[in-house]
Amino acid sequence: AQSVAQPEDQVNVAEGNPLTVKCTYSVSGNPYLFWYVQYPNRGLQFLLKYITGDNLVKGSYGFEAEFNKSQTSFHLKKPSALVSDSALYFCAVNTDKLIFGTGTRLQVFP
Amino acid sequence: AAGVIQSPRHLIKEKRETATLKCYPIPRHDTVYWYQQGPGQDPQFLISFYEKMQSDKGSIPDRFSAQQFSDYHSELNMSSLELGDSALYFCASRPGQGLDTQYFGPGTRLTVL
Repeated sequence: AQSVAQPEDQVNVAEGNPLTVKCTYSVSGNPYLFWYVQYPNRGLQFLLKYITGDNLVKGSYGFEAEFNKSQTSFHLKKPSALVSDSALYFCAVNTDKLIFGTGTRLQVFP
Repeated sequence: AAGVIQSPRHLIKEKRETATLKCYPIPRHDTVYWYQQGPGQDPQFLISFYEKMQSDKGSIPDRFSAQQFSDYHSELNMSSLELGDSALYFCASRPGQGLDTQYFGPGTRLTVL
Protein backbone atom coordinates (compact mmCIF):
# COMPACT_ATOMS: atom_id res chain seq x y z
CA ALA A 1 0.00 0.00 0.00
CA GLN A 2 1.13 3.53 -0.75
CA SER A 3 1.83 5.69 2.26
CA VAL A 4 3.78 8.61 3.60
CA ALA A 5 5.05 9.15 7.12
CA GLN A 6 5.78 12.33 8.97
CA PRO A 7 7.75 11.33 12.04
CA GLU A 8 7.49 14.65 13.86
CA ASP A 9 4.21 15.94 15.29
CA GLN A 10 5.76 19.36 15.85
CA VAL A 11 8.85 21.23 14.77
CA ASN A 12 10.00 24.35 16.58
CA VAL A 13 12.44 26.79 15.02
CA ALA A 14 13.55 30.33 15.65
CA GLU A 15 12.81 32.96 13.05
CA GLY A 16 15.68 33.34 10.62
CA ASN A 17 16.94 29.81 11.16
CA PRO A 18 16.65 27.08 8.54
CA LEU A 19 13.77 24.66 8.90
CA THR A 20 13.22 21.05 7.85
CA VAL A 21 9.97 19.11 7.99
CA LYS A 22 10.52 15.42 7.38
CA CYS A 23 8.58 13.05 5.17
CA THR A 24 9.31 9.49 4.08
CA TYR A 25 7.32 7.53 1.56
CA SER A 26 6.46 3.96 0.71
CA VAL A 27 5.34 3.78 -2.89
CA SER A 28 5.42 1.13 -5.55
CA GLY A 29 6.46 2.58 -8.87
CA ASN A 30 7.29 6.23 -9.44
CA PRO A 31 6.16 8.43 -6.59
CA TYR A 32 4.11 11.57 -7.12
CA LEU A 33 4.84 13.52 -3.94
CA PHE A 34 3.31 16.76 -2.69
CA TRP A 35 3.53 19.18 0.18
CA TYR A 36 0.49 21.15 1.32
CA VAL A 37 0.18 23.73 4.09
CA GLN A 38 -2.89 24.35 6.22
CA TYR A 39 -3.39 27.56 8.15
CA PRO A 40 -6.02 27.65 10.95
CA ASN A 41 -9.56 27.51 9.59
CA ARG A 42 -8.26 27.52 6.04
CA GLY A 43 -8.06 25.02 3.25
CA LEU A 44 -5.01 23.11 2.09
CA GLN A 45 -2.66 25.21 0.00
CA PHE A 46 -0.37 23.54 -2.51
CA LEU A 47 3.32 24.26 -1.86
CA LEU A 48 5.29 22.06 -4.23
CA LYS A 49 5.46 18.68 -5.92
CA TYR A 50 7.87 16.08 -7.23
CA ILE A 51 6.82 14.11 -10.26
CA THR A 52 10.02 13.66 -12.21
CA GLY A 53 13.18 15.55 -13.02
CA ASP A 54 15.45 17.42 -10.65
CA ASN A 55 15.57 16.05 -7.13
CA LEU A 56 15.48 19.57 -5.66
CA VAL A 57 12.07 21.07 -6.14
CA LYS A 58 11.33 24.73 -5.50
CA GLY A 59 7.89 25.85 -4.47
CA SER A 60 5.86 28.71 -3.07
CA TYR A 61 6.91 31.11 -0.28
CA GLY A 62 10.60 30.15 -0.52
CA PHE A 63 10.04 26.50 0.34
CA GLU A 64 11.89 23.68 -1.37
CA ALA A 65 12.02 19.93 -1.02
CA GLU A 66 14.58 17.32 -1.85
CA PHE A 67 13.53 14.00 -3.32
CA ASN A 68 15.89 11.24 -2.18
CA LYS A 69 15.16 7.90 -3.77
CA SER A 70 17.70 5.89 -1.79
CA GLN A 71 16.34 7.16 1.52
CA THR A 72 12.72 7.28 0.26
CA SER A 73 12.43 10.78 1.66
CA PHE A 74 10.93 14.07 0.54
CA HIS A 75 11.85 16.56 3.25
CA LEU A 76 10.52 20.11 3.12
CA LYS A 77 13.06 22.86 3.72
CA LYS A 78 13.38 26.60 3.92
CA PRO A 79 16.67 28.46 4.42
CA SER A 80 15.25 31.15 6.71
CA ALA A 81 12.01 30.63 8.62
CA LEU A 82 9.40 33.34 9.16
CA VAL A 83 6.90 33.58 12.00
CA SER A 84 4.21 33.57 9.32
CA ASP A 85 5.34 30.08 8.24
CA SER A 86 3.78 28.70 11.42
CA ALA A 87 1.12 26.27 10.23
CA LEU A 88 0.30 22.60 9.75
CA TYR A 89 2.23 20.91 6.95
CA PHE A 90 1.12 17.75 5.17
CA CYS A 91 3.16 15.50 2.93
CA ALA A 92 1.10 13.44 0.48
CA VAL A 93 1.46 10.84 -2.23
CA ASN A 94 -0.87 10.98 -5.19
CA THR A 95 -2.35 7.71 -6.43
CA ASP A 96 -5.13 9.70 -8.12
CA LYS A 97 -6.41 10.23 -4.62
CA LEU A 98 -4.12 11.97 -2.18
CA ILE A 99 -2.86 9.93 0.75
CA PHE A 100 -1.67 12.28 3.45
CA GLY A 101 0.79 11.93 6.25
CA THR A 102 -0.33 12.72 9.76
CA GLY A 103 0.88 16.30 9.51
CA THR A 104 3.60 18.30 11.24
CA ARG A 105 2.87 21.47 13.11
CA LEU A 106 5.58 24.04 12.46
CA GLN A 107 6.02 26.70 15.10
CA VAL A 108 8.38 29.55 14.29
CA PHE A 109 9.31 31.69 17.30
CA PRO A 110 10.31 35.35 16.99
CA ALA B 1 -7.09 33.42 -10.15
CA ALA B 2 -10.35 31.64 -9.50
CA GLY B 3 -10.29 29.05 -6.76
CA VAL B 4 -12.45 26.18 -5.63
CA ILE B 5 -15.62 27.42 -3.96
CA GLN B 6 -17.39 25.49 -1.24
CA SER B 7 -20.67 26.26 0.40
CA PRO B 8 -21.71 26.61 3.06
CA ARG B 9 -18.53 27.37 4.97
CA HIS B 10 -20.09 26.35 8.26
CA LEU B 11 -23.01 24.06 8.97
CA ILE B 12 -24.59 22.97 12.22
CA LYS B 13 -26.97 20.04 12.24
CA GLU B 14 -28.66 17.78 14.76
CA LYS B 15 -28.16 14.02 14.87
CA ARG B 16 -30.18 12.13 12.29
CA GLU B 17 -30.61 15.22 10.12
CA THR B 18 -29.36 15.53 6.55
CA ALA B 19 -26.81 17.90 5.05
CA THR B 20 -25.78 18.88 1.56
CA LEU B 21 -22.36 20.31 0.83
CA LYS B 22 -21.59 21.98 -2.47
CA CYS B 23 -18.37 22.34 -4.41
CA TYR B 24 -17.71 24.55 -7.42
CA PRO B 25 -14.41 23.58 -9.06
CA ILE B 26 -11.95 25.91 -10.72
CA PRO B 27 -13.21 26.76 -14.24
CA ARG B 28 -12.27 24.10 -16.80
CA HIS B 29 -11.51 21.57 -14.06
CA ASP B 30 -13.57 18.45 -14.71
CA THR B 31 -12.31 16.26 -11.87
CA VAL B 32 -13.53 16.74 -8.31
CA TYR B 33 -12.42 15.05 -5.10
CA TRP B 34 -14.00 15.04 -1.63
CA TYR B 35 -11.97 14.63 1.56
CA GLN B 36 -12.96 14.49 5.23
CA GLN B 37 -10.67 15.85 7.95
CA GLY B 38 -11.64 14.96 11.49
CA PRO B 39 -10.37 17.01 14.45
CA GLY B 40 -6.60 16.70 14.70
CA GLN B 41 -6.47 14.25 11.81
CA ASP B 42 -5.16 14.21 8.29
CA PRO B 43 -7.61 14.48 5.39
CA GLN B 44 -9.12 11.19 4.24
CA PHE B 45 -10.32 10.60 0.70
CA LEU B 46 -14.05 10.02 0.32
CA ILE B 47 -14.95 9.99 -3.37
CA SER B 48 -13.99 11.44 -6.74
CA PHE B 49 -15.63 12.24 -10.06
CA TYR B 50 -14.36 12.76 -13.56
CA GLU B 51 -16.61 14.07 -16.29
CA LYS B 52 -19.70 13.51 -14.13
CA MET B 53 -18.89 9.85 -13.49
CA GLN B 54 -17.67 8.45 -10.20
CA SER B 55 -14.02 7.55 -10.67
CA ASP B 56 -12.95 6.29 -7.26
CA LYS B 57 -14.40 5.66 -3.84
CA GLY B 58 -12.71 5.66 -0.49
CA SER B 59 -13.93 5.29 3.06
CA ILE B 60 -17.27 6.94 2.45
CA PRO B 61 -20.16 5.73 4.61
CA ASP B 62 -23.23 4.32 2.88
CA ARG B 63 -25.18 7.20 4.44
CA PHE B 64 -23.26 9.58 2.19
CA SER B 65 -23.76 10.00 -1.52
CA ALA B 66 -22.33 12.41 -4.05
CA GLN B 67 -22.66 13.40 -7.64
CA GLN B 68 -21.16 15.72 -10.19
CA PHE B 69 -23.45 17.78 -12.37
CA SER B 70 -23.27 18.90 -15.99
CA ASP B 71 -21.62 22.19 -14.98
CA TYR B 72 -19.01 20.11 -13.06
CA HIS B 73 -20.05 21.28 -9.65
CA SER B 74 -20.44 18.52 -7.11
CA GLU B 75 -22.65 17.91 -4.10
CA LEU B 76 -22.03 15.66 -1.12
CA ASN B 77 -25.26 14.50 0.50
CA MET B 78 -25.08 13.21 4.04
CA SER B 79 -28.03 11.56 5.76
CA SER B 80 -28.72 10.23 9.26
CA LEU B 81 -25.93 12.40 10.58
CA GLU B 82 -23.94 11.12 13.52
CA LEU B 83 -21.77 12.96 16.02
CA GLY B 84 -18.71 11.39 14.39
CA ASP B 85 -19.51 13.09 11.12
CA SER B 86 -18.40 16.39 12.61
CA ALA B 87 -15.39 17.34 10.53
CA LEU B 88 -13.97 19.65 7.91
CA TYR B 89 -15.01 18.56 4.43
CA PHE B 90 -12.76 19.60 1.59
CA CYS B 91 -13.35 19.59 -2.10
CA ALA B 92 -10.44 19.63 -4.53
CA SER B 93 -10.38 19.94 -8.30
CA ARG B 94 -7.99 19.39 -11.18
CA PRO B 95 -8.21 19.33 -14.95
CA GLY B 96 -8.49 15.88 -16.51
CA GLN B 97 -7.29 12.67 -14.97
CA GLY B 98 -3.89 11.78 -13.67
CA LEU B 99 -1.62 12.42 -10.76
CA ASP B 100 -0.91 16.12 -10.98
CA THR B 101 -1.84 18.80 -8.48
CA GLN B 102 -5.21 18.91 -6.78
CA TYR B 103 -6.37 22.38 -5.72
CA PHE B 104 -8.39 22.59 -2.54
CA GLY B 105 -11.31 24.72 -1.51
CA PRO B 106 -11.55 26.37 1.92
CA GLY B 107 -13.67 23.55 3.29
CA THR B 108 -17.04 23.22 4.98
CA ARG B 109 -16.97 22.78 8.73
CA LEU B 110 -19.82 20.49 9.72
CA THR B 111 -20.81 20.28 13.35
CA VAL B 112 -23.32 17.63 14.39
CA LEU B 113 -24.95 18.20 17.77
